[in-house]
Parts: sequence; structure tokens; C-alpha cells
Amino acid sequence: EPEVTQTPSHQVTQMGQEVILRCVPISNHLYFYWYRQILGQKVEFLVSFYNNEISEKSEIFDDQFSVERPDGSNFTLKIRSTKLEDSAMYFCASSVARQYFGPGTRLLVL
Amino acid sequence: DQQVKQNSPSLSVQEGRISILNCDYTNSMFDYFLWYKKYPAEGPTFLISISSIKDKNEDGRFTVFLNKSAKHLSLHIVPSQPGDSAVYFCAAGGGADGLTFGKGTHLIIQP
Repeated sequence: EPEVTQTPSHQVTQMGQEVILRCVPISNHLYFYWYRQILGQKVEFLVSFYNNEISEKSEIFDDQFSVERPDGSNFTLKIRSTKLEDSAMYFCASSVARQYFGPGTRLLVL
Repeated sequence: DQQVKQNSPSLSVQEGRISILNCDYTNSMFDYFLWYKKYPAEGPTFLISISSIKDKNEDGRFTVFLNKSAKHLSLHIVPSQPGDSAVYFCAAGGGADGLTFGKGTHLIIQP
């Protein structure tokens, strides 16, 4: 079965640094999403992306976040100036009908 | 404001018995509901879904029931197997919207 893939699996960064989390959605999918899960909390929606633009975003997705589909296969989440509270698992998902999730990137901000 | 609630953080069931996981929601605009299963260090894996126009959907050992008037859905797993031990998330959405997740229920299947 086709899978959503994410890189890196783990990322450690210093507070204030920029990070880029990468995702390769399933090839024929049209909708792309980012979610995060802070340790011990629920999975939270960040943003959805369709037709090369953001279609929906949550309150969490503020100006420090941005998404991009730089080519036909990758979908990236950039966090411009990381804060300690950005430490979480970040999941990418893609869909035609139902959403398929990637394995996640564990981000640790020190 | 929790729009999707899973009130049981954990549930322990004997192997072979029925596992029933519950989920309540408050937003009447949700028209699509899903259950995801999650193992540690992995992403959520889709299990089963139900549209708001139906009240039951079955797939093998998994059945999801939706009671729209009560804004309640449940996932039944029968018979429960050791490999079913995982965290189960209820999620809700509409169309291509981002999903709203519950906090999850940790299901433990005991031999």
C-alpha cells in the first residue's frame, strides 16, 4: 500500500533556529495536511493545503509557520524561529478521500 | 473547547472479548467520523470511518456505530486480539477539512 513518508524522523534544534520538516505525500493525493501532537496531548490540526495554497489553518498555525510544495512531490512545514513549546511530533497527512498519515517527525527544541 | 471527547483514557479487555471504545462530539457540522489506531513512535493508521448519513459501518472485526441525535459514536472490536493493543483516536471532520481528534483511549488486550 502506498505510504506517506516524512524526514527526518527526529530533529533536535536550538530555540530560535529555523527548522524544515519534509513530507512526501501519496502521489495521486490532492489534499495535504500538517498536524502536531505534544507529548501526552491529543493530535492537533495545523494546516491544510490544496491546489498550491492553504485552504484552512488552525489558531496554532501563526506567522512563525509556513508550508510549501516546492516541487511535485514534497510538502514542507517550516518553523521560522522555534520555541520550546514547539517540541512535539509533527505528522503529515494526505488524502483523496480519507487521510493517510506519515510516521511523524519528533522535534525537540532545546 | 474539546469538540471531540474520548472520556476513557484507557480500557482493558480480555482477549477474545468485545472491546467498545466511545467518543462524543459537540460540533453538529461534523459529517464524517474516523477511527485511527496508533502505536508508539508511529503515525495514526486509519481503521474505519462513517459518514453522518449512516448509523453503522462494518469492516471485519471492526464496527463503528453513529448516533447523531446523541452526538456519540463507538468502535466495537470483536473478538479482541493481542495485536489490537494500541491507542485509538476518534476523529471528526467535514470534506477535506483538517480533522479534530479526541485525546485517545489506550486499549490493552489481556491474554
